[in-house]
Amino acid sequence: KNEVEQSPQNLTAQEGEFITINCSYSVGISALHWLQQHPGGGIVSLFMLSSGKKKHGRLIATINIQEKHSSLHITASHPRDSAVYICAVLPLNTDKLIFGTGTRLQVFP
Amino acid sequence: SQTIHQWPATLVQPVGSPLSLECTVEGTSNPNLYWYRQAAGRGLQLLFYSVGIGQISSEVPQNLSASRPQDRQFILSSKKLLLSDSGFYLCAWSRTGRELFFGEGSRLTVL
Repeated sequence: KNEVEQSPQNLTAQEGEFITINCSYSVGISALHWLQQHPGGGIVSLFMLSSGKKKHGRLIATINIQEKHSSLHITASHPRDSAVYICAVLPLNTDKLIFGTGTRLQVFP
Repeated sequence: SQTIHQWPATLVQPVGSPLSLECTVEGTSNPNLYWYRQAAGRGLQLLFYSVGIGQISSEVPQNLSASRPQDRQFILSSKKLLLSDSGFYLCAWSRTGRELFFGEGSRLTVL
């Protein structure tokens, strides 16, 4: 079993739909990252969370440390949101991230 | 501002040939540097990790090696490439693991 599990693996949506991507992990962590990888391959960091909730534009990320779970929400989805979304956790007492395998999102007009 | 550059972006190499991928970081000092590989349809796999000049930690046994000749330079090398070395290689830096910046990636195809 992977230490970081994401669901779903693949997701298709119509433009305007509300989208949720989930991440569960099995280790104690000091931080969790949500990353976005576009078809060209480049990766950008969307959020870094250690507790609570963060919002940036149409993106919202939440984390529940007790339940070892995080969600990434996209409101009013748009075709340009199509990408692979990756959850990565930073276990306690280490600088080495553990990555989920990603969720491939396709948003159709 | 902090930036990270990685090159070459695309590389097609024959089996048995050498490899050198280079990564440089600007705008910060003493970063932790990482090399990751992403095989088709799979997650990011940590290959090498460096906390300082000349300090390299290898995570996966393989025919690749890494070097850090300067504080903000990280090089991934191989003397003889294998078919299984094909993939997308990403360099990244972090100060404490709480912020994370990736290079643009290098797509390697070994034929």
